[in-house]
Amino acid sequence: EPEVTQTPSHQVTQMGQEVILRCVPISNHLYFYWYRQILGQKVEFLVSFYNNEISEKSEIFDDQFSVERPDGSNFTLKIRSTKLEDSAMYFCASTTDSNQPQHFGDGTRLSIL
Amino acid sequence: DQQVKQNSPSLSVQEGRISILNCDYTNSMFDYFLWYKKYPAEGPTFLISISSIKDKNEDGRFTVFLNKSAKHLSLHIVPSQPGDSAVYFCAAKVGSGGYNKLIFGAGTRLAVHP
Repeated sequence: EPEVTQTPSHQVTQMGQEVILRCVPISNHLYFYWYRQILGQKVEFLVSFYNNEISEKSEIFDDQFSVERPDGSNFTLKIRSTKLEDSAMYFCASTTDSNQPQHFGDGTRLSIL
Repeated sequence: DQQVKQNSPSLSVQEGRISILNCDYTNSMFDYFLWYKKYPAEGPTFLISISSIKDKNEDGRFTVFLNKSAKHLSLHIVPSQPGDSAVYFCAAKVGSGGYNKLIFGAGTRLAVHP
């Protein structure tokens, strides 16, 4: 069964550094998402992406965050200047259309020191 | 107000018995709900969904019930198996067209013991 693939599984970064989290969505999917889960808290929506542009973003998704689909297969989340509170599990998800469930990757654990 | 609540952080059930996981929501405009299962070190895996035009949806051992007037849904697992031990998330799909986001509950950790 096709899967959403995320790399790396764990990223450790110094505060203030830039980090890029990578995702390969399922190949025929058209809608892409990033969610995050801070330890002990709910999974929360960050951003949705369709047709090479952001369709919605949450309050969390400020100017330090950006997303990109640099080629036909990858979908990336960049945090320009990381803060301690960015430490979380980051999940990528994709789907074919609104009537289908979103499929999630196994996440990237981001640790900011 | 857009909240999804799972008020039971954990549930312990004996193998073979029924597991019932509950979920409440605050916004009566929510019209599509999903249950995801999550094992440690893995992402959420889609389990079953229900649209607000239905009050029940069944898939094998899993059944989801929706009570719109009470803004409540539940997931029934019958019979429960040890492999069902995981965290279960209830989520509401919000938005129109393809620009949907999911709003998650806090999750319920199910432990199925022999």
